[in-house]
Amino acid sequence: GNSVTQMEGPVTLSEEAFLTINCTYTATGYPSLFWYVQYPGEGLQLLLKATKADDKGSNKGFEATYRKETTSFHLEKGSVQVSDSAVYFCALSLFQGGSEKLVFGKGTKLTVNP
Amino acid sequence: NAGVTQTPKFQVLKTGQSMTLQCAQDMNHEYMSWYRQDPGMGLRLIHYSVGAGITDQGEVPNGYNVSRSTTEDFPLRLLSAAPSQTSVYFCASSRTSGLLDTQYFGPGTRLTVL
Repeated sequence: GNSVTQMEGPVTLSEEAFLTINCTYTATGYPSLFWYVQYPGEGLQLLLKATKADDKGSNKGFEATYRKETTSFHLEKGSVQVSDSAVYFCALSLFQGGSEKLVFGKGTKLTVNP
Repeated sequence: NAGVTQTPKFQVLKTGQSMTLQCAQDMNHEYMSWYRQDPGMGLRLIHYSVGAGITDQGEVPNGYNVSRSTTEDFPLRLLSAAPSQTSVYFCASSRTSGLLDTQYFGPGTRLTVL
């Protein structure tokens, strides 16, 4: 089936540390891949996306590259800030039943300490 | 624009009670959907709609009903609440049903069923 596996959290880092959150997927066909972020008390927001192999999505200093050979879409940031503390969700889109649907990973909670 | 609004923010129900979670968007989006978020489970799709008068089931539809009489509104009805429906519910919308269109999420409704 179609699924997304994220590294389990929580992840705790100090400010300015390097961040990697691993995400791998299983899918039939060629899905689009997404990272969503959920700040405390809020709904999810799209962080970045990639639609085909070798595409790199980037936003707010975060990056992720669509790696078809390893079925991965790892999220990275070179220097995290306290304001990056949130829950991060990896997701893929699939076409099913006449429309596209999002399949989410379980989420990884990131805490950045000053 | 208010974006996607959800009411109420919090609700406590007793087993067997019914209620409706409201969702509205003012962006003239075609596509609307309901998710539930449970600890360690990510988001799971309950129901979705690709336009007024059209609804379909997602991954976990049992115990929930939806209707889409207008483009703006997409209420979620719990017919007979059960403790297993304790969760945080998110409504989302996008311009079209293609998931490359950014999904906009509401702030969520936290529901507890006793």
